[in-house]
Amino acid sequence: AQSVTQLGSHVSVSEGALVLLRCNYSSSVPPYLFWYVQYPNQGLQLLLKYTSAATLVKGINGFEAEFKKSETSFHLTKPSAHMSDAAEYFCAVRYSGGYNKLIFGAGTRLAVHP
Amino acid sequence: EPEVTQTPSHQVTQMGQEVILRCVPISNHLYFYWYRQILGQKVEFLVSFYNNEISEKSEIFDDQFSVERPDGSNFTLKIRSTKLEDSAMYFCASLREITTNEKLFFGSGTQLSVL
Repeated sequence: AQSVTQLGSHVSVSEGALVLLRCNYSSSVPPYLFWYVQYPNQGLQLLLKYTSAATLVKGINGFEAEFKKSETSFHLTKPSAHMSDAAEYFCAVRYSGGYNKLIFGAGTRLAVHP
Repeated sequence: EPEVTQTPSHQVTQMGQEVILRCVPISNHLYFYWYRQILGQKVEFLVSFYNNEISEKSEIFDDQFSVERPDGSNFTLKIRSTKLEDSAMYFCASLREITTNEKLFFGSGTQLSVL
């Protein structure tokens, strides 16, 4: 069975500081992994995805994530946080087989303070 | 960028009432989904729909739920007799085709409150 665990429901960083949002997955086969962001009153927006090509994936807004099979991790990072990065971030794994069903983590709310 | 549109953004209903949540997927997309997020919990898959029929559903999607694509543009989720525990944010999503590089587009959600 596939599942996703996000460590830390809330993360707070200073503007300009490193952002690190953690995601670990459980999958019996190499997964497809995703990070989505949800800004207030908006839908889920795809930040980046891993589809078994390069292990370091670059996404929008300066975010990137590295797939580490040995650690079953897909942590999201950004070198320098901006106030506009404040949002909820969801890690997800694509269900193997079926119709592209996604299994989401519980989400991490990122706060950025001046 | 194309958008998935959901209406209404907020819906308040009494327990036992029927609600219909509406979605307009992106026009050339073929696969449609409903997800929900109960406050403070994970985003959960409810159902996928392809070729005018349900292709997969979760254990949450019981007989009280149904989906329909009545006119080729709208995609609706109906809850026949709402319960308090149906209160959640409901997200519609659509996908053009199931390949590695295709992107799942989500709507901004309908917040359902059952009183």
